[in-house]
Amino acid sequence: KAGVTQTPRYLIKTRGQQVTLSCSPISGHRSVSWYQQTPGQGLQFLFEYFSETQRNKGNFPGRFSGRQFSNSRSEMNVSTLELGDSALYLCASSTRPRQGATDTQYFGPGTRLTVL
Amino acid sequence: EDQVTQSPEALRLQEGESSSLNCSYTVSGLRGLFWYRQDPGKGPEFLFTLYSAGEEKEKERLKATLTKKESFLHITAPKPEDSATYLCAVLFSGNTPLVFGKGTRLSVIA
Repeated sequence: KAGVTQTPRYLIKTRGQQVTLSCSPISGHRSVSWYQQTPGQGLQFLFEYFSETQRNKGNFPGRFSGRQFSNSRSEMNVSTLELGDSALYLCASSTRPRQGATDTQYFGPGTRLTVL
Repeated sequence: EDQVTQSPEALRLQEGESSSLNCSYTVSGLRGLFWYRQDPGKGPEFLFTLYSAGEEKEKERLKATLTKKESFLHITAPKPEDSATYLCAVLFSGNTPLVFGKGTRLSVIA
C-alpha cells in the first residue's frame, strides 16, 4: 500500500506571498491531520479533516487554512507569509473514525517551506 | 494543559551501549501513547502504540514500556543506523489532538 505523499517537497517563498501544500493520504484513510515542525517548537498541530469537514483546529492564526476533498486528499494554505512560517509541514493520515479514536497516524515526508 | 516531556534532549552512545529514552506526561487520562522515529529531512516513522500501564512492545533492538506517568524506549545494543530523533506523542482523553514531545536526538557512534 502506498504511503502518505506530499507535494511539493520543497518551497521557497517571500514574505507576503501565499502558498498551497498538498497531501494524499493512504488509501482508505479518511482522516488527514496537518502539523508544523520547527526546531524550537517541535511538532505543533494545525488542523484535522475528516470526510471533508474540519474536525479539530490548533492554535494558529487564521492565515493558516485547509480543506479536504471527496477523495480524502487535503490541501493547506498559508496566506501573507511571514519569516516565522519557515518550517517543515507534515501531513498524517489515519482511519480515525471519530474524534479521540486511538488509530495510529502515519506521516508523509513533509514539505520544507522557506520564507525569505 | 496536557503536556509531554522527553528526556534527555540528546544522547550519544557507543555502538552496543544500551540505554533508555524517557517520555513523561501530565496525568489527565491517557488514551494512547505513540513512539515515532524521525530521520533528518523526513517525516516521522511509526514504531509503537501503547494503551495501558504495564504494556510492552518490542521491535528488533527497541522495546517500549508504559507506566501510569511515563513511557520508556529501551534500546539494546544499538547500531549506528539507530541514530535518529525519537518522538513520543500522547492522545489524552477528550477530543484533543495528539500532543508531541520535542524528541530525543540519538547518536550511535561506531
